[in-house]
Amino acid sequence: DAGVTQSPTHLIKTRGQQVTLRCSPISGHKSVSWYQQVLGQGPQFIFQYYEKEERGRGNFPDRFSARQFPNYSSELNVNALLLGDSALYLCASTRLGLAGGPAGTGELFFGEGSRLTVL
Amino acid sequence: DAKTTQPNSMESNEEEPVHLPCNHSTISGTDYIHWYRQLPSQGPEYVIHGLTSNVNNRMASLAIAEDRKSSTLILHRATLRDAAVYYCILRSGGSQGNLIFGKGTKLSVKP
Repeated sequence: DAGVTQSPTHLIKTRGQQVTLRCSPISGHKSVSWYQQVLGQGPQFIFQYYEKEERGRGNFPDRFSARQFPNYSSELNVNALLLGDSALYLCASTRLGLAGGPAGTGELFFGEGSRLTVL
Repeated sequence: DAKTTQPNSMESNEEEPVHLPCNHSTISGTDYIHWYRQLPSQGPEYVIHGLTSNVNNRMASLAIAEDRKSSTLILHRATLRDAAVYYCILRSGGSQGNLIFGKGTKLSVKP
């Protein structure tokens, strides 16, 4: 089975532009989460979607938005790019329900990420 | 979610055991202890998790202190492929699907 796939793998944008990143979860996974990882730091939670609805949002500005499609794939959009948005954007999916399993035990499966550079 | 504290970096020799510590003194009774690792140029991957008892799987073992305020991830025989950043994360019983990552421990493995 294919893992979580993300596209594009690398992209370069300039300040003020907009970017769309895409994620396909593992087949059968209905929950998708997005994370931002700045160089030298751990990933930071941006959004979670489950059954096409937003179920969680991290501390990110409104320039960040996302959606989930009927086939459970997802897109992350970032408007008005800033230099500080340069990061690795990671997508993760979970097998069971919202939390990936009972009582917070579920495993998250991550893609390899989309590396965004803002010049 | 409660906070965890890990050393910034550790070194190990190949084929020797590695003990990666994690302190979580404010852990609550419903918090599960999860470990993920991130190899260079890859997304994080799940390693192991536990609640109170020690746990073993094909990748590693998790030793949890009796008071649950600390835990140790044990790699029984480190290989060069184990060089990664290891994250210790607490997830509450009612948590949603998001994880709160710290900076983790960067493990270097010497041949």
